[in-house]
Amino acid sequence: DSGVTQTPKHLITATGQRVTLRCSPRSGDLSVYWYQQSLDQGLQFLIQYYNGEERAKGNILERFSAQQFPDLHSELNLSSLELGDSALYFCASSVGGWGTDYEQYFGPGTRLTVT
Amino acid sequence: GQQVMQIPQYQHVQEGEDFTTYCNSSTTLSNIQWYKQRPGGHPVFLIQLVKSGEVKKQKRLTFQFGEAKKNSSLHITATQTTDVGTYFCAGHSGTNNNDMRFGAGTRLTVKP
Repeated sequence: DSGVTQTPKHLITATGQRVTLRCSPRSGDLSVYWYQQSLDQGLQFLIQYYNGEERAKGNILERFSAQQFPDLHSELNLSSLELGDSALYFCASSVGGWGTDYEQYFGPGTRLTVT
Repeated sequence: GQQVMQIPQYQHVQEGEDFTTYCNSSTTLSNIQWYKQRPGGHPVFLIQLVKSGEVKKQKRLTFQFGEAKKNSSLHITATQTTDVGTYFCAGHSGTNNNDMRFGAGTRLTVKP
């Protein structure tokens, strides 16, 4: 158990819909990262927040957005869902940000299926 | 943009044999991280390399960062069945390390 929690575990929804994935980082961690893992695309970094502010952006689509709240939990919002958005979405947390010697702890993931 | 290539895609070894996976970046990296993901599990951080030519060891695992900071390798000596999983590298570059790309991963299977 990494100490990072993600809800829900599984999500099945239809194309065009909007969903919200939730992540609670480990106690004391200020950074939250979101990743997408699909069979044909591998593991892709989406976005990072540090202490409530966006710190880095990866291959995140405009239909996706995220935020980190004052209590440091984070939400990833996916809208206008397409079949290709079906994937495993991981959240990870760390004490600091990149460039320092630290560990990222991954949550168990949310499996999203778009039908 | 930055590309991180990882080879091989798959590797099947007999228990006790050695295993190596390689990552190559099209651009100079500020640092590189390695992760292991067991089947059905989530990625687990293994190590971060920052310095040119850096070599780090964790028991049977040896990690190297190239002199030009464009390539890296993970070598496992005398594999065990517990080493089964997919090994990913992740390279950071850009201002404030805000460009992070994962390699496609090497899936290791070990025959007892």
